[in-house]
Amino acid sequence: EPEVTQTPSHQVTQMGQEVILRCVPISNHLYFYWYRQILGQKVEFLVSFYNNEISEKSEIFDDQFSVERPDGSNFTLKIRSTKLEDSAMYFCASSAGQSSYNSPLHFGNGTRLTVT
Amino acid sequence: KNQVEQSPQSLIILEGKNCTLQCNYTVSPFSNLRWYKQDTGRGPVSLTIMTFSENTKSNGRYTATLDADTKQSSLHITASQLSDSASYICVVSAVSTSGTYKYIFGTGTRLKVLA
Repeated sequence: EPEVTQTPSHQVTQMGQEVILRCVPISNHLYFYWYRQILGQKVEFLVSFYNNEISEKSEIFDDQFSVERPDGSNFTLKIRSTKLEDSAMYFCASSAGQSSYNSPLHFGNGTRLTVT
Repeated sequence: KNQVEQSPQSLIILEGKNCTLQCNYTVSPFSNLRWYKQDTGRGPVSLTIMTFSENTKSNGRYTATLDADTKQSSLHITASQLSDSASYICVVSAVSTSGTYKYIFGTGTRLKVLA
């Protein structure tokens, strides 16, 4: 079964550094998402992306965050200047269609970001 | 405010026993409700999905119910197995003002099945 793949599985970075988290969504999917999950807390929506542009973003997704689909297969999340509170598991997800009934979110296994 | 609350927060049961997890939501306009299973260190995986017109949906040993009037859902696990140990997340989707789908995640129930 096709999978969403994320790299790296674990990223350690120093506060103030830039990080890029990478995702390869399922190939025929059109909608892409980033979520994060701080340890012990619930999954939080960051941003959704469709047709090469952001369709929705949360309050968490401030100017320090950006997303890109540079080559038609990768979907990246960039954090420009990391803060300690950015430490979390970041999940990429994709779905085939807009109608969520027949198009479940397929999640990757996440990138654990640790900011020191 | 759109919210999804789950109970209990955590649950420990013996292998072979049944259990029921609860989800209450205040999401509008409601589109559908989905239960996900999240193994430790992994991404969530969809178990079932229900629209407002569906009362019950089964997937193997998992049975979800939905009462759209009271805005409550439950996930019943029958004859639990050690591999059922995971977090179970209730996710409610709504159509946002921009016409896109918004997914509201619950806090999850952490289930531990003991031998």
